[in-house]
Amino acid sequence: KAGVTQTPRYLIKTRGQQVTLSCSPISGHRSVSWYQQTPGQGLQFLFEYFSETQRNKGNFPGRFSGRQFSNSRSEMNVSTLELGDSALYLCASSLVSGGSTDTQYFGPGTRLTVL
Amino acid sequence: AQTVTQSQPEMSVQEAETVTLSCTYDTSESDYYLFWYKQPPSRQMILVIRQEAYKQQNATENRFSVNFQKAAKSFSLKISDSQLGDAAMYFCAYRSRGAGANSKLTFGKGITLSVRP
Repeated sequence: KAGVTQTPRYLIKTRGQQVTLSCSPISGHRSVSWYQQTPGQGLQFLFEYFSETQRNKGNFPGRFSGRQFSNSRSEMNVSTLELGDSALYLCASSLVSGGSTDTQYFGPGTRLTVL
Repeated sequence: AQTVTQSQPEMSVQEAETVTLSCTYDTSESDYYLFWYKQPPSRQMILVIRQEAYKQQNATENRFSVNFQKAAKSFSLKISDSQLGDAAMYFCAYRSRGAGANSKLTFGKGITLSVRP
């Protein structure tokens, strides 16, 4: 079974632009979570989607948004990019949301650089 | 809100030796999960081991085992017979369990483990 895939793997943008990152979960997984990883702040939860609904949201400004499609694929969007948005963005999928036996599987990440 | 603390930023171990990575957490919940994730230079996060808080028995996975002290809110990872491939960043993580729980993981800052040949 294929793992979690994220596209693109690397991205360079300039301040003020917007960007869309994509995550395809493992087949059959319906929950997708997004995390931002930076050297200074570490791993921070952005949001979780389950069955096309946002289940939980982290403490990020409204410039960060996401959605999930009926096939469970998810996208996150960052508008009006700032230098501080440079980070590794990780996506994780699991069968359900908060399931008692659930394990989250992570994708390889998208490295975003904002110039 | 839950917090996870990993106070040692770096550790080093000789190949074939044993090393213990420390983690403490703070929560008012009684039902939760704890995890150790490994992130090698490829940046792919890999689950190493998980522990359910309601289980008193410490989890083990081959060379990896944990020492879970619920009252002390401590969750350390022991790696036995360390191998060069164990060199990575290790993250301790917390997830709520029970009614209304979701999949959000709260991570510690991580610890970089190097393995000396």
